Amino acid sequence: QKEVEQNSGPLSVPEGAIASLNCTYSDRGSQSFFWYRQYSGKSPELIMFIYSNGDKEDGRFTAQLNKASQYVSLLIRDSQPSDSATYLCAVMSGDMRFGAGTRLTVKP
Amino acid sequence: DAMVIQNPRYQVTQFGKPVTLSCSQTLNHNVMYWYQQKSSQAPKLLFHYYDKDFNNEADTPDNFQSRRPNTSFCFLDIRSPGLGDAAMYLCATSPGGDGDTQYFGPGTRLTVL
Repeated sequence: QKEVEQNSGPLSVPEGAIASLNCTYSDRGSQSFFWYRQYSGKSPELIMFIYSNGDKEDGRFTAQLNKASQYVSLLIRDSQPSDSATYLCAVMSGDMRFGAGTRLTVKP
Repeated sequence: DAMVIQNPRYQVTQFGKPVTLSCSQTLNHNVMYWYQQKSSQAPKLLFHYYDKDFNNEADTPDNFQSRRPNTSFCFLDIRSPGLGDAAMYLCATSPGGDGDTQYFGPGTRLTVL
C-alpha cells in the first residue's frame, strides 16, 4: 500500500509566525508532490506542487522536498488567521495518494 | 473562468434510493476523477476516466458507477445508497500526459436518511 502520512494536528501558531507542515510517503518512485488547502466543508484548493529536490517558494509559501528521506514539507511564513485550514499532502504514485491532512490554527 | 462545477452542492437522499451527482469542466482536461471524502479523512479515489477509458479502483464498491458521455461531463451514480455512503463527493480534473496536477470542484455533500 502506498502511504502518505501527516501529523493530524491540530497545529497552533500565533499570527505572524512560521507554520511548518510535514509529510512522509512510502513509494520511493513517487515523482510529483502537491500541497492542498481545505477549509472546513469546502473542497481542496491547490497551493503548490514540487517535482525536484530542494525548495520552491511562492509568496508566503515554501515547499521543500527531500526524495532520499521521502519527506516533503510546507512552510507558511507570516501566518495569518485566514491560513487556518486543513493542509493535505498529495503524492503522485501512479494514482494521486492523499494524506489525511494537518489541521492548522493561526491565533490572532 | 475555466473551472470545475459540481451539482448539486448538497444532496439528501433516502436509504436505498438511487442518486446521481454531476460534474462538468471547462478546462478541457483529459482526465476526470471522483473522490469520496469523509470527515477528517483523506480523499479516497473511487475511479477516473482518461478520455473515455474508465479506471476503477479495486476497492470501490459495485454500488458506485460512473459515466462520462463527453469530455466536459462526468456523473457518479450511487445505485443503493447506504448510511455509510454519506460523505463529500469531490470531482477533480487534470490535463493528463505530463500534466498531473488535479483541480477540484466545490464538492457535493451527500446526506443519506
